[in-house]
Amino acid sequence: DAGITQSPRYKITETGRQVTLMCHQTWSHSYMFWYRQDLGHGLRLIYYSAAADITDKGEVPDGYVVSRSKTENFPLTLESATRSQTSVYFCASRGNGLYNEQFFGPGTRLTVL
Amino acid sequence: KNQVEQSPQSLIILEGKNCTLQCNYTVSPFSNLRWYKQDTGRGPVSLTIMTFSENTKSNGRYTATLDADTKQSSLHITASQLSDSASYICVVSEPTLTFGKGTMLLVSP
Repeated sequence: DAGITQSPRYKITETGRQVTLMCHQTWSHSYMFWYRQDLGHGLRLIYYSAAADITDKGEVPDGYVVSRSKTENFPLTLESATRSQTSVYFCASRGNGLYNEQFFGPGTRLTVL
Repeated sequence: KNQVEQSPQSLIILEGKNCTLQCNYTVSPFSNLRWYKQDTGRGPVSLTIMTFSENTKSNGRYTATLDADTKQSSLHITASQLSDSASYICVVSEPTLTFGKGTMLLVSP
């Protein structure tokens, strides 16, 4: 029981290809989040979801698509990858309360050539 | 624009020494302020969570303070260990999280 997992851990793709990053959590947390982390920036929120079938944009949503058909899964899709999307992507989850701890996955390092 | 500023950007200290990391924020209002530790190649892990009415919160050798009037927080690490080498990130929750860029700490033997 790993809590929150991401796959793949590393991915190299080419410009224009579609890429899907997977996130799975075993706590039945309501909230799930996708962030990207780049040098010179703090973690930036891409999308988040408050429950199954409920998603909302974060700070940097352009070029990304999410879905949440099941509570435990929150995939992030880059429909047509660009070099600017080269980054480390973190998925996170937390329970309902605002003061609940947010747990992060191990990250996916994505390189777009 | 980042509304959470951390200093210093990086810091090297000798094992066993204490250090203090700073965080200034302009996010207002906010529900809580958090400090995370991020080891290289891993996701961030929560160290402390403080509401705006709390002044201090400890977690072992880590002590966070919060001054809501001056909008400043600090993280004090006591008797540093080699395993403390990591990036320390200040995060303001309002309710989505606004992250600072982090302070990279290296503890040298």
